[in-house]
Amino acid sequence: EAEVAQSPRYKITEKSQAVAFWCDPISGHATLYWYRQILGQGPELLVQFQDESVVDDSQLPKDRFSAERLKGVDSTLKIQPAELGDSAMYLCASSGPGIGLYEQYFGPGTRLTVT
Amino acid sequence: GNSVTQMEGPVTLSEEAFLTINCTYTATGYPSLFWYVQYPGEGLQLLLKATKADDKGSNKGFEATYRKETTSFHLEKGSVQVSDSAVYFCALSKSGGSNYKLTFGKGTLLTVNP
Repeated sequence: EAEVAQSPRYKITEKSQAVAFWCDPISGHATLYWYRQILGQGPELLVQFQDESVVDDSQLPKDRFSAERLKGVDSTLKIQPAELGDSAMYLCASSGPGIGLYEQYFGPGTRLTVT
Repeated sequence: GNSVTQMEGPVTLSEEAFLTINCTYTATGYPSLFWYVQYPGEGLQLLLKATKADDKGSNKGFEATYRKETTSFHLEKGSVQVSDSAVYFCALSKSGGSNYKLTFGKGTLLTVNP
């Protein structure tokens, strides 16, 4: 069964350092989402891609966060510099094949701890 | 804006007990409604969904009915098992053009004891 892959699974970094997360969606899925899940809360959307284009990044803190999906396949989310409040689970999801209310499939997430 | 409110946890039940997790939503128009489950150490999985009023979503013995008059989508199961222990999230999706992002509740931790 196809799955969304994410790496690393766990990341510990110091405040002010740079960190990057990678996501490989299910093959053929055009839409890719990055969500942030703070402990005890539900996931919140950071950015949505349709192919290589950003559809929604209204909740992405653009002064420190960036996301790209250059070839419309895998994606990277970067934080520079990391802050203590960035400690959370970062979830990637994909859906497809086109635009529409398709089921979103989630990866296992990357748990970030900023010290 | 859109929002989802679900009952606070944690919920602790004995095996074979009846489960209800309440979920209400705020949204304009006609959102689609979902329940996701997150088992320890895993990502979220879609449990069930309903896309219009009075629809009933069901899966693995879980059910939820889309009630527009009460803006609710309560999750129920007649007889829970230890393997149902997980965090349950209620969510909605309201299309804004090409944006089908999910808006989640805070989650409810369910623990089922043998």
